[in-house]
Amino acid sequence: EVQLVESGGGLVQPGRSLKLSCVASGFTFSNYGMNWIRQAPGKGLEWVAYISSGSSYIYYAETVKGRFTISRDNAKNTLYLQMTSLRSEDTALYYCARHLTGWFAYWGQGTLVTVSS
Amino acid sequence: DIQMTQSPASLSASLGETVTIECRASEDIYSNLAWYQQKPGNSPQLLIYDANSLADGVPSRFSGSGSGTQYSLKINSLQSEDVASYFCQQYNNYPPLTFGSGTKLEIK
Repeated sequence: EVQLVESGGGLVQPGRSLKLSCVASGFTFSNYGMNWIRQAPGKGLEWVAYISSGSSYIYYAETVKGRFTISRDNAKNTLYLQMTSLRSEDTALYYCARHLTGWFAYWGQGTLVTVSS
Repeated sequence: DIQMTQSPASLSASLGETVTIECRASEDIYSNLAWYQQKPGNSPQLLIYDANSLADGVPSRFSGSGSGTQYSLKINSLQSEDVASYFCQQYNNYPPLTFGSGTKLEIK
């Protein structure tokens, strides 16, 4: 069974940093691209970042480019999102999702990031 | 960037009814479109990919259609467990991968 389990969310002050993790199981992690997607409270879905299976290709949404860094450790079956210079508008539930030709067949349960003073 | 315009924003229908949700892309996306269902408090779940292919385990009352810039999700014989928000997403040209703004479906 495919499982994606996010962690690392919490309450953080504006301007500070936070690192999210997503541990994958039930499939060969190193064979798949991965994404971070977020959802602000009561709002829609916003794609944040993508990393290819071997980390050769990395893409970001313009809203986070230069502040967020996606990475992965295939030996640990883990996806990361390093978030810096956090803003109130980054407050959201952050999902990791497995990539397949552009759509997302598997999602984690999400980890909540709240940016507030 | 490709913009996805989804309608309606909310929808109320009776049990057993057929409902249709529309999604319009700002340019031709060549059927590179997915639909997701998100029940309250849960993560999104894939319903449809490639505009009309049913994802594993999805009931056959769900169907997708369309081409070019216009796509739709149809739910036949609406059931109580279909209460959810529905989102379309294009993957023809990325980054960025873009979603529609969502449709909230309720039972009348």
